[in-house]
Amino acid sequence: EAGVAQSPRYKIIEKRQSVAFWCNPISGHATLYWYQQILGQGPKLLIQFQNNGVVDDSQLPKDRFSAERLKGVDSTLKIQPAKLEDSAVYLCASSLATQGEAFFGQGTRLTVV
Amino acid sequence: GESVGLHLPTLSVQEGDNSIINCAYSNSASDYFIWYKQESGKGPQFIIDIRSNMDKRQGQRVTVLLNKTVKHLSLQIAATQPGDSAVYFCAEDNNGPGNQFYFGTGTSLTVIP
Repeated sequence: EAGVAQSPRYKIIEKRQSVAFWCNPISGHATLYWYQQILGQGPKLLIQFQNNGVVDDSQLPKDRFSAERLKGVDSTLKIQPAKLEDSAVYLCASSLATQGEAFFGQGTRLTVV
Repeated sequence: GESVGLHLPTLSVQEGDNSIINCAYSNSASDYFIWYKQESGKGPQFIIDIRSNMDKRQGQRVTVLLNKTVKHLSLQIAATQPGDSAVYFCAEDNNGPGNQFYFGTGTSLTVIP
């Protein structure tokens, strides 16, 4: 079974630039999560989708972050404009249902300079 | 938000010894917990889970204990191997409408050959 795919693996941008991350969840997984993991910390949930609808985005900084999952499969997470404190690994995860283990991708390491 | 914390940020054990990693959670309504292992440069990987109607669950070389009275989880790894070196996170399902997972800071386990 193919895992959660994310791209790119690494990205370096200057502050105030924009960046986008892509995630392809495991086939058939209705629930998709985006997490932010700052170095030395646990993953922090940014947004959760159930199919193409948002379940929870209470911790998403909506002034600069946006995410979509238009067809209920792939998802993109965008940051515009980026700040230095956005440097982190952005993890995508998916699960078969709203309760049950989440499977994680390898993440995208973002460095904002 | 919920607070999931770990008692020890680092743990070093001799190869072959047993390891115990502890985790405290704060939301008494949480009904599902997962232990994840994260190796350097990779996303978190599921190890074992437990629901709140259980107090112990065993897997291959791993055991999770849940004490709801004091809101405490532990992960026991038997006969620890060098491949077990990683950061371990407990994640708490907040039992909300979307079942979001909240992660602790993590414990870094180092196995000494």
